Amino acid sequence: ETGVTQTPRHLVMGMTNKKSLKCEQHLGHNAMYWYKQSAKKPLELMFVYSLEERVENNSVPSRFSPECPNSSHLFLHLHTLQPEDSALYLCASSQGSSLMNTEAFFGQGTRLTVV
Amino acid sequence: AQSVTQLDSHVSVSEGTPVLLRCNYSSSYSPSLFWYVQHPNKGLQLLLKYTSAATLVKGINGFEAEFKKSETSFHLTKPSAHMSDAAEYFCVVPPGGGYSSASKIIFGSGTRLSIRP
Repeated sequence: ETGVTQTPRHLVMGMTNKKSLKCEQHLGHNAMYWYKQSAKKPLELMFVYSLEERVENNSVPSRFSPECPNSSHLFLHLHTLQPEDSALYLCASSQGSSLMNTEAFFGQGTRLTVV
Repeated sequence: AQSVTQLDSHVSVSEGTPVLLRCNYSSSYSPSLFWYVQHPNKGLQLLLKYTSAATLVKGINGFEAEFKKSETSFHLTKPSAHMSDAAEYFCVVPPGGGYSSASKIIFGSGTRLSIRP
């Protein structure tokens, strides 16, 4: 148990559906991240929030929409996804967004399948 | 520019034998370096980290890694493999500091470690 909780653990959705992934941390961290992990590809950073403000958006398609209502919660809203968006979506948090000497704590991920 | 290379995509060892997972980095300065482990269907967990203190770093579960600047390497080792060590291992170069540098954290492509009974 890392202190970062992601729900749901598994999600199957059609290409026309709208769904949301949720991430919650009660570690007192002030930075949260969404990563995408696809088979046989390196981890891809999608979004970074620091102090509830988005500080990084790595050219992610607009069908992915993040939301950070407070420092403990992070959402990823999904709509009109494509089958190639099927992946493991990992949430992480840290104290400070530079991560220079700071460990990132990861959730267990949401396994997303788009059909 | 910084980069990290994990030299083996898959390593298979017998239980009770040594483990060596290789990582080489490229950086214009002495970076911090992390190793993360990901067990099947789980998130990533920090195994150990080097932050310019002792060059030999001990982590959880009996793993250790040695920072060698002359070889630009940070290989992960364990004297005796256990079945529970089967997982994916990532070598990570954090960014060089700065408020907006989180996007520059660099994950290696991962090494899948298999343990034979």
